[in-house]
Amino acid sequence: SAVISQKPSRDICQRGTSLTIQCQVDSQVTMMFWYRQQPGQSLTLIATANQGSEATYESGFVIDKFPISRPNLTFSTLTVSNMSPEDSSIYLCSVHAGGASTEAFFGQGTRLTVV
Amino acid sequence: QQQVKQSPQSLIVQKGGISIINCAYENTAFDYFPWYQQFPGKGPALLIAIRPDVSEKKEGRFTISFNKSAKQFSLHIMDSQPGDSATYFCAASTSNYQLIWGAGTKLIIKP
Repeated sequence: SAVISQKPSRDICQRGTSLTIQCQVDSQVTMMFWYRQQPGQSLTLIATANQGSEATYESGFVIDKFPISRPNLTFSTLTVSNMSPEDSSIYLCSVHAGGASTEAFFGQGTRLTVV
Repeated sequence: QQQVKQSPQSLIVQKGGISIINCAYENTAFDYFPWYQQFPGKGPALLIAIRPDVSEKKEGRFTISFNKSAKQFSLHIMDSQPGDSATYFCAASTSNYQLIWGAGTKLIIKP
């Protein structure tokens, strides 16, 4: 299993500013995933972050807007840059358990409100 | 091709009843079908999962039924309890671990 600590749990930010979300895992994992979830909606994958390589972004998401760092096998950050009210959402960090299991574990999420 | 279609969007069930949520997929390369449960303010948590080599998997009150020929799978919650009230997501993936998510079902169990 994997325990994920995600910070901050919530924040209210001014338009035009940036917020960095941290994700700390209690074990080493190869792949980390960042999702966005609008309240009451499904999860949308933003990007996949592997240690030692550039993150892979999904269609509709770009590195300039959502830069990701992955300095080691237990930590990652997602920055939401130049925020607008449309960025208000829940951001989730996720990892998969090692070995043959493909169970995904999630942090508790960061609820972001942009005003 | 990559979509997973989930229904219903919302569901109200009496306590003690059976809750049934359905999902359908197109991509025959999917080989892992999990169901996740999400409570408000929390991240999703794995509830139960199945691979296409079996037609049913049961864990306590939760059962996945899988129909490979119809490309459908469903979650059955027996003896539904108020504590089961949550949003449920089906998903599917291939060996690359990337999950394709259903739209979610908000389940309310009435006492």
